[in-house]
Amino acid sequence: AQSVAQPEDQVNVAEGNPLTVKCTYSVSGNPYLFWYVQYPNRGLQFLLKYITGDNLVKGSYGFEAEFNKSQTSFHLKKPSALVSDSALYFCAVRDTNAGKSTFGDGTTLTVKP
Amino acid sequence: EAQVTQNPRYLITVTGKKLTVTCSQNMNHEYMSWYRQDPGLGLRQIYYSMNVEVTDKGDVPEGYKVSRKEKRNFPLILESPSPNQTSLYFCASSPLETGELFFGEGSRLTVL
Repeated sequence: AQSVAQPEDQVNVAEGNPLTVKCTYSVSGNPYLFWYVQYPNRGLQFLLKYITGDNLVKGSYGFEAEFNKSQTSFHLKKPSALVSDSALYFCAVRDTNAGKSTFGDGTTLTVKP
Repeated sequence: EAQVTQNPRYLITVTGKKLTVTCSQNMNHEYMSWYRQDPGLGLRQIYYSMNVEVTDKGDVPEGYKVSRKEKRNFPLILESPSPNQTSLYFCASSPLETGELFFGEGSRLTVL
């Protein structure tokens, strides 16, 4: 069975500081890894993905994530946080050989001015 | 405009009254899926479909049915809704090769 863990329910950072939202995963095959963002009262939007290739992937709004196979992690990062980055962030994994997708419980990011 | 459309967006119903939440995508995606979002539980997959006439159970399929008769549509059916199905439901689609999901705006369902 595949699983995703986001160990922090809440992350607070000051505007202009770097941010990290953590994610670890477990999957039997080769993973597709994703980050999505949900703004209040909205649907989810795709941020970035890792399928294969470079371990550092870049996505929308200046976000990036680093795939670490040995640590089975896919942490989301941004060098300089904005107040507008405040939202709920979800990490997700999908087995490349199957259609089942699993999401973490989500991490609420709050960026204070 | 590329989009996933769900209807209704809001619904209040009573226990046992059958309902259907429709989902349609205009991106010719092979993969479609339904999720429910509950506080503290993230998104949990209900059912998914990798192509027409092919559907599979996700993590929480009990009490739900789906069908995929056409590529663009993937309705979610609650034959006999119960209060524990009160939730926010999302439909999503994606290309099979790349996997990133495009989500609908969500359907907030309340079962009394």
